[in-house]
Amino acid sequence: DGGITQSPKYLFRKEGQNVTLSCEQNLNHDAMYWYRQDPGQGLRLIYYSHIVNDFQKGDIAEGYSVSREKKESFPLTVTSAQKNPTAFYLCASTNRGLVTEAFFGQGTRLTVV
Amino acid sequence: ILNVEQSPQSLHVQEGDSTNFTCSFPSSNFYALHWYRWETAKSPEALFVMTLNGDEKKKGRISATLNTKEGYSYLYIKGSQPEDSATYLCASTTTSGTYKYIFGTGTRLKVLA
Repeated sequence: DGGITQSPKYLFRKEGQNVTLSCEQNLNHDAMYWYRQDPGQGLRLIYYSHIVNDFQKGDIAEGYSVSREKKESFPLTVTSAQKNPTAFYLCASTNRGLVTEAFFGQGTRLTVV
Repeated sequence: ILNVEQSPQSLHVQEGDSTNFTCSFPSSNFYALHWYRWETAKSPEALFVMTLNGDEKKKGRISATLNTKEGYSYLYIKGSQPEDSATYLCASTTTSGTYKYIFGTGTRLKVLA
């Protein structure tokens, strides 16, 4: 079955450490997105990519980095520069087009202690 | 309106009651409005996508309307059931430069049996 997979589901890290969240899709989608959700807030866009080897900053990109070396994969690195990294992170993918439906992973809950 | 806003933030209704909530979005450069349903511990799933002013979509007991001139959409649930309990997200896509999904904060619906 086609889908989008995030791993791990829960992640704990010590403050000051970089951590990479995985997002893989086998839907042959061109576009992939990373969102962050904090309690009581909606999904805020961190980074997005519409094509391999290209990506754009979203609204809250500071302290994060991404790569898009393969169409299927869009890993997100939360760096030590991110001041409040504890959050729920959601990855999504879409085909090209403004009316296309977004498919989501199940999310990764990152806790930094 | 610069962002996508949803109201109310949360809502409790009795089983059998009908309910509705609102999504407000920037009307400039508007292309499409998406509604998603997000159940706890699952990934968001697409409900509707609408593009034309006056569009109305229906799926079972759930329907949605769109007003692109004033920048709002309503989601209606007729005869709410406990299984309707979820967070309902709306997202807009625009034609300004590269496209991206902008999500609202969601409306958390709890249907009481």
